Amino acid sequence: GQQVQQSPASLVLQEGENAELQCNFSSTATQLQWFYQSPGGSLVSLLSNPSGTKHTGRLTSTTVTKERRSSLHISSSQTTDSGTYLCAIESGGNYKPTFGKGTSLVVHP
Amino acid sequence: EAAVTQSPRNKVAVTGGKVTLSCNQTNNHNNMYWYRQDTGHGLRLIHYSYGAGSTEKGDIPDGYKASRPSQENFSLILELATPSQTSVYFCASAGTANSDYTFGSGTRLLVI
Repeated sequence: GQQVQQSPASLVLQEGENAELQCNFSSTATQLQWFYQSPGGSLVSLLSNPSGTKHTGRLTSTTVTKERRSSLHISSSQTTDSGTYLCAIESGGNYKPTFGKGTSLVVHP
Repeated sequence: EAAVTQSPRNKVAVTGGKVTLSCNQTNNHNNMYWYRQDTGHGLRLIHYSYGAGSTEKGDIPDGYKASRPSQENFSLILELATPSQTSVYFCASAGTANSDYTFGSGTRLLVI
């Protein structure tokens, strides 16, 4: 089945620094999404990007389908960005997503 | 506002007892999902559904049943709860192309 690896497992930044999160997957993705999980546990979708580059606010995702990898760039990090970032992949259009274990981000003031 | 609502938020159950976790969505989404989240494992898919009347096994379905009686409601049923099912459970809904995922707030289940 689909394997999803996220790196780094954890990241510590000072406010204002940029973050680069990676997601590698084993099979061709028909859908790829990035999620944010707050320290309190709530999960929200950040963006959907199965191929190419997408921007929303301070977030930029670049997915290189042939190389089976995606990145999430967070510019000018803020303390409120602290939490866990999850990557989820679907293959073959089966609407059955597989999640990576996430990257834990801590942003210090 | 479209939402996914889970109930209960917290539950303590006894080993061998029956537990039902409920999920309601107002997004009019076809697809609904049940996940559990454990330290070291991330989010793992238990059951999912493509619409009313349908349920599909996810990656870890053993010990769980699911029911989708309507577009809005999707339940997860533990017929004989075990301590290994202690976890945080999340319900989610998604629409066309699964590009608009919405998660519920989660249910913390403790089986003693």
